[in-house]
This record gives sequence, C-alpha cells and structure tokens, in this order.
Amino acid sequence: QKEVEQNSGPLSVPEGAIASLNCTYSDRVSQSFFWYRQYSGKSPELIMSIYSNGDKEDGRFTAQLNKASQYVSLLIRDSQPSDSATYLCAVSSGSARQLTFGSGTQLTVLP
Amino acid sequence: DVKVTQSSRYLVKRTGEKVFLECVQDMDHENMFWYRQDPGLGLRLIYFSYDVKMKEKGDIPEGYSVSREKKERFSLILESASTNQTSMYLCASASGSGVVDEQFFGPGTRLTVL
Repeated sequence: QKEVEQNSGPLSVPEGAIASLNCTYSDRVSQSFFWYRQYSGKSPELIMSIYSNGDKEDGRFTAQLNKASQYVSLLIRDSQPSDSATYLCAVSSGSARQLTFGSGTQLTVLP
Repeated sequence: DVKVTQSSRYLVKRTGEKVFLECVQDMDHENMFWYRQDPGLGLRLIYFSYDVKMKEKGDIPEGYSVSREKKERFSLILESASTNQTSMYLCASASGSGVVDEQFFGPGTRLTVL
C-alpha cells in the first residue's frame, strides 16, 4: 500500500514569515512529486513539481526533494494571507503515473 | 493553459438513480483520472484511462464505471447511486508523454445523493 504522509496541521504563521510543509512517502520507486494548493470549496491547483534530488525554486515557493530519505518539502517565503489554504503533497507511480495524495496540511497566514 | 471542464458544479440525485459525470479536456492529453474527495479521507483514485477505450481501476472502483469513447472526454458513471457516494468528484488530465506527468484538475462536481 503506497502511503503519503503529511502533518495535518493546522499550521499558522504570521504574514511575511516562512511556512514549511513536509511530506514523506513509502514507495521507493516513485519518480515524480507535486505540491497542490486547494482553497476551501475549490479544486486542487498545481503549484510545484519536482523530479530530481535537491531544490527547485519558483517565485516565493521552493520545493525540496530527498529520495534517499523519501522526503519532500515545500517552503513558502514571505507568506501572505492569500496563501492560506490546504496544501496537498502527491507522489506519482504506476503505468499511467497515477497520483497518491497525502491528507493535506491546512495553512493559515495571520495578517 | 490546460482547461479541464466538468459538466456540473452541483448535482442532487436520488438513491438508485443512474448518474453520469462528464469531464472534457482541451489539451490532447492521453491520461485522464477520476477522484473523489471526502473530509478525513483525502483524494482517492476511482478509475483512470491512458488511452481511448482503455481504463484501469483505481483504489476505490466499487459502484462506479467509466467510459472513454473520445480522447478529450472521460465519463464517470454511478450505476445505482447510494448515499455513501455523496462526495466531491474531481476529474484530472495529464499529458502521458515524457517525464513531465503533471495532472490538472477540473473544478469538481459536488454530488449529493438523497
């Protein structure tokens, strides 16, 4: 059974701070890793994908992958109240690269 | 931009009815997926398709079937709706080629079965 674990939170950070979201996965052959943002009542929106070990930066977002430790994280710099949402970690495997999702971390950025 | 559309945002059906949920993508993607999302259970894969007329069961296929007659359209069918199928249903598509396999989601259909 493939598993993706996230801290459910809720996680609260003050505006302007760095928010750190973590995820571990059980399937060692997983190749692709994703972070989705989901606002209440909306569908998931892809914000980051990462395929190789190390860091990947996109604006205020940095994804970090460590395949040896089976760990992926998302850092949000200069957090804004508009970043308040649930963040879903997803791991890809299988013939059609189907995703297994974590349960999500609810982030609140306090003004 | 990838656009994935779903036929309804909200749907109310009665127990025992046959329900069709439609999903259309406009990016010529090979792979399409149906998920349901429930509080405390997260997103769970129901069925997926990697080609026209091809389908594979996901983690929770019981009570559902799918149809993919055209590349851009993937339908989820509830043969006889039950109250435990009340949920948010999400469709996604992915290119299916190369290393990049990002999935893009439609807006979702919130189904209530009475």
